[in-house]
Amino acid sequence: ETGVTQSPTHLIKTRGQQVTLRCSSQSGHNTVSWYQQALGQGPQFIFQYYREEENGRGNFPPRFSGLQFPNYSSELNVNALELDDSALYLCASSLGSGGAVTQYFGPGTRLLVL
Amino acid sequence: KQEVTQIPAALSVPEGENLVLNCSFTDSAIYNLQWFRQDPGKGLTSLLLIQSSQREQTSGRLNASLDKSSGRSTLYIAASQPGDSATYLCAVQGGSQGNLIFGKGTKLSVKP
Repeated sequence: ETGVTQSPTHLIKTRGQQVTLRCSSQSGHNTVSWYQQALGQGPQFIFQYYREEENGRGNFPPRFSGLQFPNYSSELNVNALELDDSALYLCASSLGSGGAVTQYFGPGTRLLVL
Repeated sequence: KQEVTQIPAALSVPEGENLVLNCSFTDSAIYNLQWFRQDPGKGLTSLLLIQSSQREQTSGRLNASLDKSSGRSTLYIAASQPGDSATYLCAVQGGSQGNLIFGKGTKLSVKP
């Protein structure tokens, strides 16, 4: 167990809807990174939040957005859901950003878009 | 642009065999390389992390090596067991955010 929690564990949405996924970081960690893992693929970096600011982004459109709160928990919001957004969404927390900081992963949220 | 490739994509072996999983990456400017295990429908379990200055790490029946100059890593599993059946992912860490770049994984099946 890493101490990183995610909610919900599963959810089903329809195309065009909006979704919010939540991540609670490990105690003392100030950085949260989000990854999307499509079926049969490796996880892909969406973005990272460090001290409540976005600190880098992968190749994802603006309808993927996030927030980090003063307690360093984080949300991932996806607007105008598409079928291809169906995936396992993983968050990882760390102490600090960049370099060789170790990231600790949560169990993931599985999103199905119909 | 960093790319990570894992070979083979799938592997089936009888119980008790020693096996090797391969990972290659295109840019040697990495901080570290990490091997993860993922059970079906589950999150990631970190197995071994090798810093860029290290050559190998060992944990129980697992041994991972890193050759940064050639862009290669191997994960060696000794005396495989049915409980080792899972997908094994390799990831390198680099860049200003330290984000992880993953391969697509090797799906391992160990038959009793």
